[in-house]
Amino acid sequence: GEDVEQSLFLSVREGDSSVINCTYTDSSSTYLYWYKQEPGAGLQLLTYIFSNMDMKQDQRLTVLLNKKDKHLSLRIADTQTGDSAIYFCAESRDSGYALNFGKGTSLLVTP
Amino acid sequence: DAGITQSPRHKVTETGTPVTLRCHQTENHRYMYWYRQDPGHGLRLIHYSYGVKDTDKGEVSDGYSVSRSKTEDFLLTLESATSSQTSVYFCAISPDRIGEQYFGPGTRLTVT
Repeated sequence: GEDVEQSLFLSVREGDSSVINCTYTDSSSTYLYWYKQEPGAGLQLLTYIFSNMDMKQDQRLTVLLNKKDKHLSLRIADTQTGDSAIYFCAESRDSGYALNFGKGTSLLVTP
Repeated sequence: DAGITQSPRHKVTETGTPVTLRCHQTENHRYMYWYRQDPGHGLRLIHYSYGVKDTDKGEVSDGYSVSRSKTEDFLLTLESATSSQTSVYFCAISPDRIGEQYFGPGTRLTVT
């Protein structure tokens, strides 16, 4: 994931909002995804946004896309200890076959 | 969860031995992928398949080969395992070329 950058670590208190940020460099990105990985498990698709949208909300999750700045964020409202996991940002490109992943942001939620 | 299984889930093997990992899906998705996950590198694509007998290389394909003789099965083979191939291997499937991917539970491979 050299073209997709994420901060490595985020710590928040239970009940607060979490914001996980991601930047990408390819303007031809078609879809942008957020995956969650709990310890010892595979990646679970959380949500995705099409590149012509700027916002998508799904229950506690809000995705914001700033296409001009190539910046994607995932906001988790009322963060719970069960949200502690690694969150991956990924992009798909119209020219490609696979997703390009960031290295993941480890979210720690403390009571 | 999407119907994806990986076998074995854990394996310890010695340097120089051949190893085959299996990915099995029940979703009838056309696209299948093998990734490896390593600390500091995130997920990196090894090989992918866009149909039966249709495969191509990914970012880190050296030392790996794949085969897909049926829609539901995608095999990853390490012809002669090396310690640098110690990793967690994930299979993923997708109905579309650029669509969302669904991941299997992973195989933890240790090469001693």
